[in-house]
Formats: sequence, C-alpha cells, structure tokens
Amino acid sequence: EPEVTQTPSHQVTQMGQEVILRCVPISNHLYFYWYRQILGQKVEFLVSFYNNEISEKSEIFDDQFSVERPDGSNFTLKIRSTKLEDSAMYFCAGRSGVNYGYTFGSGTRLTVV
Amino acid sequence: GESVGLHLPTLSVQEGDNSIINCAYSNSASDYFIWYKQESGKGPQFIIDIRSNMDKRQGQRVTVLLNKTVKHLSLQIAATQPGDSAVYFCAENSGGYQKVTFGTGTKLQVIP
Repeated sequence: EPEVTQTPSHQVTQMGQEVILRCVPISNHLYFYWYRQILGQKVEFLVSFYNNEISEKSEIFDDQFSVERPDGSNFTLKIRSTKLEDSAMYFCAGRSGVNYGYTFGSGTRLTVV
Repeated sequence: GESVGLHLPTLSVQEGDNSIINCAYSNSASDYFIWYKQESGKGPQFIIDIRSNMDKRQGQRVTVLLNKTVKHLSLQIAATQPGDSAVYFCAENSGGYQKVTFGTGTKLQVIP
C-alpha cells in the first residue's frame, strides 16, 4: 500500500537554527498538508498546499514557517529560527481528491534544545 | 483560542467486548467526518469516514454513527482486540480541499 514518507524520523536542533522537514507524498496526491502534534495534545493544522501554492494556513504558521514543493515530488516544511515551543511531532498528509481521505506520514519528531 | 489538555479521556474495555468512542463537533458546515487511530510514535491512521448525507457506515469490525441534529459522532469497535489499543481521534472537514480539524482524542485501553 502506498505510503507518505517523512524524513528524518527524529531531528534535534538548537534554538535559533533552521530546520527542514521532508515529505514524499503518494504519487497521485494533489493536496498536501502539514500538521503538528505537541506531546500529549491533539493534532493541529499548520498549512495546506495545492497547485504549488498555499491554500490555507493557521495562526501557528507564522513568517518563521514556509513550505515548498521544489522538484514536484518532495514537499518540505522549513522553520527558519526554531523556538523551544516548536518541539513537536510534525506530520505530512496528502489526498488525491476531495472525495478521498487523507493519508498521513509517520511523522518527524522535532526536539528544540 | 482553543484549550487542550494533557490528559486524554480513557476508555478501558475487556478484550472481546464492544467499544464505543464518542465525539462532539461544533461546526454545522462540516460535511465529512473521519475517525483516525494513532498508535504511540506513529501518524494518524485512517479507520473509517462518513459524509453528512449518511447516518451510519460500516467497515470491518467498525461502525461510525453520525447524528447531525446533536452534532455527535461515534465509533463502534466490535470484539475489541489488544491491537486496538491506541488513541482515537475524530476529525471533520467542511468540504473541498480544506483541512481536517481534529478532536482531542480518546485513549482506548484493551484489557486482555
């Protein structure tokens, strides 16, 4: 069964450093999303991406965050200057159409120290 | 903003019994609902979905019930197994390619 693949599985970074989280969506997916989950809390929406542009973003997704699909394949989330409160699991998700469910990756655990 | 807690509601069931996990939603415009299962250290895994023009949908060992009048969604798991132990989230979507919004989750513990 096709999977959404995320790398790395765990990233430790110093506060103030830039991080790039990577996702390889399923090939027929058209809509892409990033979510995050702080330990023990619910899954929170960050941003949705369609047709090479952001279609919606949450208030969490401030100007420290950016997304790209640089080569038509990988989908990346960049955090320019990480803060301690950015520590969370980050999930990439995709869907192939509006009548189809969302498939989530297994996540990247980001730890900011 | 929304308030979230560090302690999830927990449902403990005996292996072999049926489980019912409930969820309330607030957005009247939601027309697509999904149940996800999340095991420790993993991403949300799709279980079953239902559209707002239905009130019941069945899968393998799982049934989702939707009551739009009271904005309530439930997930029924038949003959619960130890492998069903996880956190279960309901999620809602208002249509199109919009985001899903997750509920706070319920932890299901299956007692062997």
